[in-house]
Amino acid sequence: SQQGEEDPQALSIQEGENATMNCSYKTSINNLQWYRQNSGRGLVHLILIRSNEREKHSGRLRVTLDTSKKSSSLLITASRAADTASYFCATDAGWGQGAQKLVFGQGTRLTINP
Amino acid sequence: GAGVSQSPSNKVTEKGKDVELRCDPISGHTALYWYRQRLGQGLEFLIYFQGNSAPDKSGLPSDRFSAERTGESVSTLTIQRTQQEDSAVYLCASSASRGGRNQPQHFGDGTRLSIL
Repeated sequence: SQQGEEDPQALSIQEGENATMNCSYKTSINNLQWYRQNSGRGLVHLILIRSNEREKHSGRLRVTLDTSKKSSSLLITASRAADTASYFCATDAGWGQGAQKLVFGQGTRLTINP
Repeated sequence: GAGVSQSPSNKVTEKGKDVELRCDPISGHTALYWYRQRLGQGLEFLIYFQGNSAPDKSGLPSDRFSAERTGESVSTLTIQRTQQEDSAVYLCASSASRGGRNQPQHFGDGTRLSIL
């Protein structure tokens, strides 16, 4: 079943602008992760935020998590043409030790126009 | 070191044939995952391995799908009697689960499967 829903489905902005993508989910989670996928390639892990964290930064990326609203956002600042890709949120609703079972959203297709 | 490797990168086969997809995870990663991605869609979980055992097979779409892993390394996903709806990209990922749940998954580039 699809846990995450992403908004918008597609986003087109000018190079240098900021891009914001949102993700909502349905159940309690252990952590939420964001991945990027370039066309025809596998997914690349961007950032992981745990359920007890509210905000996390990595370079030009900023992720927020609001567990009361079951939502997360990914902000990419000062966008570049190379940021053009699909972005997916994924939730890990499991607990304890052991491997994850990530549930992915449908993704946001981001296009950066030069 | 090398990342996750999948083979073949592309596979075209006729309906009804069996196919075998291979995944070589990152060395030392104990957890291995298989996902399916239909065109323009998100990833659909199929199965994961902790070591050589598969605690959760709930995502496998039908009994035509099976997977195995040996030596805590290579995994194969087998689809028997393929149907056109099996056409998709099959992605494999691995993670160092011994560090706890909060580990990123590392993905291969997938196998693009087309059923004629």
